Amino acid sequence: TQLLEQSPQFLSIQEGENLTVYCNSSSVFSSLQWYRQEPGEGPVLLVTVVTGGEVKKLKRLTFQFGDARKDSSLHITAAQPGDTGLYLCAGVQGGATNKLIFGTGTLLAVQP
Amino acid sequence: DAGITQSPRYKITETGRQVTLMCHQTWSHSYMFWYRQDLGHGLRLIYYSAAADITDKGEVPDGYVVSRSKTENFPLTLESATRSQTSVYFCASRVDGTNYGYTFGSGTRLTVV
Repeated sequence: TQLLEQSPQFLSIQEGENLTVYCNSSSVFSSLQWYRQEPGEGPVLLVTVVTGGEVKKLKRLTFQFGDARKDSSLHITAAQPGDTGLYLCAGVQGGATNKLIFGTGTLLAVQP
Repeated sequence: DAGITQSPRYKITETGRQVTLMCHQTWSHSYMFWYRQDLGHGLRLIYYSAAADITDKGEVPDGYVVSRSKTENFPLTLESATRSQTSVYFCASRVDGTNYGYTFGSGTRLTVV
């Protein structure tokens, strides 16, 4: 079974601080996705990274896919209370189905 | 409204009862998925479907049954509910093709007493 470990599990920071969330695996994925989930709702896709070494920016969020396509990181600059939520990475398995394997999640709380 | 809807949002049932969770999507996506989300385990795949009448097991299929007679519907049935099936259940759909993201419903919180 492919596993995706996220760190840290919990993060509580003040508004304006920067943070990085890590997603690591011993397996290679064809691509990796990041989702954010708010209480009482389903996960919402933020980004998909496909190429090893790829970097994507979404406003204050920067996503990077490792060169070997086994790991990824999410960096948030100047965090805001609206960034609060559960961040999930998900690796795409190869094959026709392209099933997602979800990471363990990082719960972020940004205090005003 | 367009999207993916799950019903009910909340359900309490007794051990041993049969329960069906509904999932409906309006996009005609080929792929649909059922996940359960538990503290300490994250999101785990129960069953998935590549098209109408095509379903397959995921990581944790025991005690669950699915069907997909129409592209837009993908119900999940707990044949004889157990307390270990207390969880939040999410349905998702995806367009064909590699690397597309999933769109999730808002979930069903199921409690088995």
